[in-house]
Amino acid sequence: RKEVEQDPGPFNVPEGATVAFNCTYSNSASQSFFWYRQDCRKEPKLLMSVYSSGNEDGRFTAQLNRASQYISLLIRDSKLSDSATYLCVVNRKGDDKIIFGKGTRLHILP
Amino acid sequence: DAGVTQSPTHLIKTRGQHVTLRCSPISGHKSVSWYQQVLGQGPQFIFQYYEKEERGRGNFPDRFSARQFPNYSSELNVNALLLGDSALYLCASSFRTGGGDTQYFGPGTRLTVL
Repeated sequence: RKEVEQDPGPFNVPEGATVAFNCTYSNSASQSFFWYRQDCRKEPKLLMSVYSSGNEDGRFTAQLNRASQYISLLIRDSKLSDSATYLCVVNRKGDDKIIFGKGTRLHILP
Repeated sequence: DAGVTQSPTHLIKTRGQHVTLRCSPISGHKSVSWYQQVLGQGPQFIFQYYEKEERGRGNFPDRFSARQFPNYSSELNVNALLLGDSALYLCASSFRTGGGDTQYFGPGTRLTVL
């Protein structure tokens, strides 16, 4: 089982809809969690950190469920510009390794 | 302030050759990490350096090596290139070591091995 797993998609979603995707992690010692966004042929950019209490940034909401070992990203009122690959990132306690998921591709349809 | 810079942006090599990739972190950042991203996959961790010392290493063969200089810039070296080394090589900088710190990525070096 991979340490960080994501549904690769693609998720094809009409503009204005709400979309959510999850990411599961296998190492219970994981301590920090992030969502990065990567546009085609560009570098990843931090979208948001994920805190235990959950956090919201405008249309984006991130949640962490330690008991079930997953994090989620919810995008409300999706825009065409939200089309990208969303990478789940987990930091492992101890050796501090940063593990990326393969990413979930999102296409917002006009 | 300038972001993370990497050079070159693109590179074409043949099997068996050697390559050196360079990275300059954001001013004030002391940690540099290197990642390999193959098409359709997420970035795979190669190395992390902090204050010129290796702080982490991913599952890559010894053909991959790196170092960090006193000015915190870094080089990634790959010897005896294989076709499978073709990928986007990303450098990320952060203020401290430790995965809790936000990593800022450079634009990457796209390496093609023929």
